[in-house]
Amino acid sequence: GENVEQHPSTLSVQEGDSAVIKCTYSDSASNYFPWYKQELGKRPQLIIDIRSNVGEKKDQRIAVTLNKTAKHFSLHITETQPEDSAVYFCAPPTGRRALTFGSGTRLQVQP
Amino acid sequence: NAGVTQTPKFQVLKTGQSMTLQCAQDMNHNSMYWYRQDPGMGLRLIYYSASEGTTDKGEVPNGYNVSRLNKREFSLRLESAAPSQTSVYFCASSETQKLFFGSGTQLSVL
Repeated sequence: GENVEQHPSTLSVQEGDSAVIKCTYSDSASNYFPWYKQELGKRPQLIIDIRSNVGEKKDQRIAVTLNKTAKHFSLHITETQPEDSAVYFCAPPTGRRALTFGSGTRLQVQP
Repeated sequence: NAGVTQTPKFQVLKTGQSMTLQCAQDMNHNSMYWYRQDPGMGLRLIYYSASEGTTDKGEVPNGYNVSRLNKREFSLRLESAAPSQTSVYFCASSETQKLFFGSGTQLSVL
């Protein structure tokens, strides 16, 4: 998506390891930072989000951290499991009143 | 509570044919969206509607038109389909920037 960069594009980890995906954005006015998960052949689903007045948010094995100065936010998955295998998208708002999705990170968790 | 419902789930068109993708949501959301997703790619915004009666272009609006029929329904029309429009189309709705997606329409244009 425009002005949204996501890295890495693919990530392979062993079950139980941690995974980190980073999203860089350019719109300083962005105040909402979500991550979506899309399993193969399924619809994208929101898994965690954060607002700009908070630096970190955790939900069980997943967390999102925000660095507004550097204009990036990251998804952290700990103790990865095979069911975590999916494509993950960041989607910060840009100048439009709609979300712009990153190009996605394909996470493969090897059993 | 069905969430976001899209029809049809699959469609094959010949180049030049027209069709309308239907989308309805029962969550009383103000905002609705149409995205397309090409194989192995991210989602690109085609059009969105921030509220009933308004529509705005997204990243890739060329070749498409939309209608926000009422608060529940937001349709996407291809007037003259082209092979480049082969894609999976997702409709979504939101109230507080959290998107809820439909199950998608897989469209092939031959």
